[in-house]
Amino acid sequence: AQSVAQPEDQVNVAEGNPLTVKCTYSVSGNPYLFWYVQYPNRGLQFLLKYITGDNLVKGSYGFEAEFNKSQTSFHLKKPSALVSDSALYFCAVRDLSSNDYKLSFGAGTTVTVRA
Amino acid sequence: AAGVIQSPRHLIKEKRETATLKCYPIPRHDTVYWYQQGPGQDPQFLISFYEKMQSDKGSIPDRFSAQQFSDYHSELNMSSLELGDSALYFCASSLEGVTEAFFGQGTRLTVV
Repeated sequence: AQSVAQPEDQVNVAEGNPLTVKCTYSVSGNPYLFWYVQYPNRGLQFLLKYITGDNLVKGSYGFEAEFNKSQTSFHLKKPSALVSDSALYFCAVRDLSSNDYKLSFGAGTTVTVRA
Repeated sequence: AAGVIQSPRHLIKEKRETATLKCYPIPRHDTVYWYQQGPGQDPQFLISFYEKMQSDKGSIPDRFSAQQFSDYHSELNMSSLELGDSALYFCASSLEGVTEAFFGQGTRLTVV
């Protein structure tokens, strides 16, 4: 079984401040982790992924995420948030040791960046 | 770059009617996934196909069926529609389930 938890429904930050969106996961085997962003009435846009290697992953639009195996976390970060980063963010996991390819998503975190 | 194409973008149906949603994956992608996202909800996995064979099944009602065709496009068929089927339906594709899944813009189904 695989699951994702995003403990915060909403995150509010001022423009220019650091942004962190939290995610913890649970899988039986090794995790394949993703972050997606969704703007209103739009599809999910891929931001970044972790499969192996360096624990700090850099993605699109200045976002990065840090994989922490001991804490089973994959928090999304951006050093300096922009108003245009306001959106719904989903963390997702896939169990690499399973034969199925489906992603399990967290409940999502709404990020609001105020000017 | 080509993306995942879904049609139609919007669909309004009455209760008990049927609906067919289409998905055209990114060229050379062989895996297609269908997800359902209710209002304020996270995407819920419905079903996936790899090389035209069903590879995994999630919380897909028996009233729904899907298939992947020889050109790798996929169709989600929904019958006896209920009000609760109103949602955003996403299709995603990937290569052999290895690369990240790329999502289409979604089809917004409204059942009235």
